[in-house]
Amino acid sequence: AQTVTQSQPEMSVQEAETVTLSCTYDTSENNYYLFWYKQPPSRQMILVIRQEAYKQQNATENRFSVNFQKAAKSFSLKISDSQLGDTAMYFCAFKGTYKYIFGTGTRLKVLA
Amino acid sequence: GAVVSQHPSRVICKSGTSVKIECRSLDFQATTMFWYRQFPKQSLMLMATSNEGSKATYEQGVEKDKFLINHASLTLSTLTVTSAHPEDSSFYICSARGGSGSYEQYFGPGTRLTVT
Repeated sequence: AQTVTQSQPEMSVQEAETVTLSCTYDTSENNYYLFWYKQPPSRQMILVIRQEAYKQQNATENRFSVNFQKAAKSFSLKISDSQLGDTAMYFCAFKGTYKYIFGTGTRLKVLA
Repeated sequence: GAVVSQHPSRVICKSGTSVKIECRSLDFQATTMFWYRQFPKQSLMLMATSNEGSKATYEQGVEKDKFLINHASLTLSTLTVTSAHPEDSSFYICSARGGSGSYEQYFGPGTRLTVT
């Protein structure tokens, strides 16, 4: 069975600092997609970044970047220069042949 | 682009009644729509996947007769919670995906259902 694990239920970071959220997954598939979603207090799910498994290069989107280690089945999210608006729940998600699978989430709080 | 709306955003209903939640893709044709349920401080749980013009595929443990899903057009899917009970109170989120080859899903803003 495919699983997504986020081992950090809560994290905090000082404004302007860098924080890394971890995510591991398990699958027997070779072609798949990985995502990080942000869910702020409004509850709207927002795509932060995505990674295609066939691409070796780590995805980056402005202050957000990932460390994708396919062999280790690891997909961590690094947020640089953290801002107060980054405070939210972050979900790691896997998309293989069938449905999306979400991790349990990491609640990130950015401290002023 | 890729905007998904949900209506209503909040609804309160009495036990035993039915409530319908609409999910619309506003600027693209959604061949597939997903319905999720999210309990407080928990992750999203997929309830069902619906493809336009065909019956929805429900996840294990989800009662298809209780959670009726209709995907009658490429821009609209509805979730009807029938004979609602307080334990059905939850946050329901839909998402939509475009045509073949598209793997990304776009989320609606969610609907908070409270059953009294």
